Amino acid sequence: AQSVTQPDIHITVSEGASLELRCNYSYGATPYLFWYVQSPGQGLQLLLKYFSGDTLVQGIKGFEAEFKRSQSSFNLRKPSVHWSDAAEYFCAVGDRGGYNKLIFGAGTRLAVHP
Amino acid sequence: NAGVTQTPKFRVLKTGQSMTLLCAQDMNHEYMYWYRQDPGMGLRLIHYSVGEGTTAKGEVPDGYNVSRLKKQNFLLGLESAAPSQTSVYFCASSQLGGELFFGEGSRLTVL
Repeated sequence: AQSVTQPDIHITVSEGASLELRCNYSYGATPYLFWYVQSPGQGLQLLLKYFSGDTLVQGIKGFEAEFKRSQSSFNLRKPSVHWSDAAEYFCAVGDRGGYNKLIFGAGTRLAVHP
Repeated sequence: NAGVTQTPKFRVLKTGQSMTLLCAQDMNHEYMYWYRQDPGMGLRLIHYSVGEGTTAKGEVPDGYNVSRLKKQNFLLGLESAAPSQTSVYFCASSQLGGELFFGEGSRLTVL
C-alpha cells in the first residue's frame, strides 16, 4: 500500500536560514508527488508537483523539491526562509492509475524565528 | 472567483444527530473529494467522485455517505454522528492529472 512519511513533526528555523523538509514515500512504481502548504485556518495550497522528467522541481514562493528514486524521497527546500513561510507542510503521493487520489503525510509544522 | 466553497464552516452536533456538508466548485472539474484532517495524521480520503452520479470509497469511508447529483456539488453526510467524527473536513476538486484545489475546511465537533 502507498504511504508517505514525514519524519519531522515540528521544525524551527531562523528567518533567512535555509530549510529542508523531509518526505519519504512507499509506492510500487514512480508516483506523482506533491507538496502542499496550509496556513492556519486555511485550506491547502499546492507548492509544487513532480510527474516525470527533471527530478528537481521548482515551485511557488521560492520552494524547490528533488525526487530521488533510489532513496524514495521528495524533500522540499528553500534557500532563505521568510517569516511568512510559517505554516504546515504536507507531502503527498498520487496514484498513476488515475483519479488523482492523494495519500498525505502527517505534516511538518514550520515555525520561523525573527 | 470562488473556487471550492464549503458550508457550513463550523458545526457542533450531539452524538446520534445527522448532518450534511455541502461542497460546491465552479471550475467545471470532473473529480471531487472529501478528506478529513486530524492532528498528527495528515489528511485521509473519505470518499471521492470521478463524475456526476458516481461515488467511490476512500481510506476511511465508514460512517459517511456521499452524493454527486450535480457536477458542481459533492455532499458528505453523517447519518448518526459519533465523537470519533470530530474533525476538520476538506473538500477538493480537480481534473485528471491536475492539481487538487481545496476548500477552506469545515470544523465539526461531535459531543
